[in-house]
Amino acid sequence: QKEVEQNSGPLSVPEGAIASLNCTYSDRGSQSFFWYRQYSGKSPELIMSIYSNGDKEDGRFTAQLNKASQYVSLLIRDSQPSDSATYLCAVNTGGYQKVTFGIGTKLQVIP
Amino acid sequence: EPEVTQTPSHQVTQMGQEVILRCVPISNHLYFYWYRQILGQKVEFLVSFYNNEISEKSEIFDDQFSVERPDGSNFTLKIRSTKLEDSAMYFCASSESDEQFFGPGTRLTVL
Repeated sequence: QKEVEQNSGPLSVPEGAIASLNCTYSDRGSQSFFWYRQYSGKSPELIMSIYSNGDKEDGRFTAQLNKASQYVSLLIRDSQPSDSATYLCAVNTGGYQKVTFGIGTKLQVIP
Repeated sequence: EPEVTQTPSHQVTQMGQEVILRCVPISNHLYFYWYRQILGQKVEFLVSFYNNEISEKSEIFDDQFSVERPDGSNFTLKIRSTKLEDSAMYFCASSESDEQFFGPGTRLTVL
């Protein structure tokens, strides 16, 4: 069973701080990694994808990948109350066929 | 910006009845997916579809489920005889490569 593990939270950070969200995965063959944001009652919204070791930045978001440690993270700089949502880590194996999601980490940004 | 659409937004049915959930993927996408999310739980992969056939399915996707692309735009999920435990949000997604974009979902309630 290929697993994706996340701490469900909630993770509370003050407005303007850096939020750090973490994820581990079990399948060493995984090649593609994604972060989705899901507001309560809504569908997952793709934030970022990352494929190679290191950092990838997009605006206030930075994804980090370490395949040796089977670890993916998402940093959100200058956190805003509108960032309050559940952040889903997702891992793709075997081409485009299947993505396995973690339970998601609930982020609360306190004004 | 193109988006995945789903109908209906909410479907209520009696146990044992058949339901069909409909999706219109993004027009130039070639890969289509169905996921479900039981309240408070993970987003779970059901099935992927490419080139008019199922490319991968999960253990959840048993004989009660089927998918079809009846024309050039729609992608459907049929549940033949609904059970109480089928109550969930059902998300359709589509992709051009491996980045999947989700529709708003259909909330299925089985009574």
